[in-house]
Amino acid sequence: DTGVSQNPRHKITKRGQNVTFRCDPISEHNRLYWYRQTLGQGPEFLTYFQNEAQLEKSRLLSDRFSAERPKGSFSTLEIQRTEQGDSAMYLCASTIDRVRADTQYFGPGTRLTVL
Amino acid sequence: AQSVAQPEDQVNVAEGNPLTVKCTYSVSGNPYLFWYVQYPNRGLQFLLKYITGDNLVKGSYGFEAEFNKSQTSFHLKKPSALVSDSALYFCAVRFSGGYQKVTFGTGTKLQVIP
Repeated sequence: DTGVSQNPRHKITKRGQNVTFRCDPISEHNRLYWYRQTLGQGPEFLTYFQNEAQLEKSRLLSDRFSAERPKGSFSTLEIQRTEQGDSAMYLCASTIDRVRADTQYFGPGTRLTVL
Repeated sequence: AQSVAQPEDQVNVAEGNPLTVKCTYSVSGNPYLFWYVQYPNRGLQFLLKYITGDNLVKGSYGFEAEFNKSQTSFHLKKPSALVSDSALYFCAVRFSGGYQKVTFGTGTKLQVIP
């Protein structure tokens, strides 16, 4: 399967701990996106990379959140000092900028539970 | 600012009947519009998108959507519903002017009754 993969699929942590999620986009996709989805809501945009450059960040992305895409391939999303309100599904998507309105292809998500 | 409204939390339809899932949007300028479907414990799957041109867009699994600029709507339709269509459907919008941020609606749960 050459789709978008995310690891881990589930993460349970205690409040105050740091967590890191990984996203591997579809090969050759140069754009990568992170979203957060809570129960009963649609995905909310967090940030976007074009290759290794982080070009857009949502105001939802507080200073406890940091995302990287060091070599323009996989990306990591780190949450420091987790809070119960961080409990959500974290989705990654990727696309390629060859056409307008490039379709985003989503991974299965990482479900974070903060106790 | 851009936004999407899906006015129905749930839509119930009998198998074999036509289905409609409603979506209205707000965006400055020309929109790019998308429909995604989410099955339990799975990621979002792309169904179709509107960029420009023909207002009727055909997508995967027999779904189609009609772009109506005057009503700022992009309703999802299918002529004959299948039980396997039961899932959560999300409408999304993006400003065509260059920003990559996509805004999703809150989702509509489609229940197809055998």
